[in-house]
Amino acid sequence: GAVVSQHPSWVICKSGTSVKIECRSLDFQATTMFWYRQFPKQSLMLMATSNEGSKATYEQGVEKDKFLINHASLTLSTLTVTSAHPEDSSFYICSARSGQRNQPQHFGDGTRLSIL
Amino acid sequence: AQSVTQLGSHVSVSEGALVLLRCNYSSSVPPYLFWYVQYPNQGLQLLLKYTSAATLVKGINGFEAEFKKSETSFHLTKPSAHMSDAAEYFCAVTLNSGGGADGLTFGKGTHLIIQP
Repeated sequence: GAVVSQHPSWVICKSGTSVKIECRSLDFQATTMFWYRQFPKQSLMLMATSNEGSKATYEQGVEKDKFLINHASLTLSTLTVTSAHPEDSSFYICSARSGQRNQPQHFGDGTRLSIL
Repeated sequence: AQSVTQLGSHVSVSEGALVLLRCNYSSSVPPYLFWYVQYPNQGLQLLLKYTSAATLVKGINGFEAEFKKSETSFHLTKPSAHMSDAAEYFCAVTLNSGGGADGLTFGKGTHLIIQP
């Protein structure tokens, strides 16, 4: 149980394009979803937290107009990287949680984004 | 604010030997603590969690961790290493009360190498 599906797993696109990444909880309702960014051989950095039907809460230093997050239902959140540039290339990982902070977050397999 | 320190970016043990991965945390209120494992180009898989119940927590794949408040530690152990344990391990913390980010704060990770 507690499966999170993230799609696509790999994206290569030209600079200036926008890229949408989907995160779905397949067998549970995710009251809260999270988006993380991971640079090579580094840890995960929280980008934003979203609750279903509410605006996302962004961490300091994360541009909300660059990284658009939509959490339209209890099983789906999307991250759109707008007008992507090479410095946006990274590994993006979503997670989903049902309930409060004492419940674990369940992670997707990540999306490798490469901007040429 | 909370933080996590993982001592040793790389740990190498022989197959069959004891695995010990260290994690120390800092938080202003009682924490919730988690250990996750990450295989290459994948998301994170939950190994175990501490949420203020028993201080010795057993997880999957034979791993366990002990919460020691006096030492602000949550070290991960496994009695006998297996080749399939080779991966990146992350310790993470979130607060069980108060404000602050709802997401996890991760340590920098420890790369576990298993020698045949």
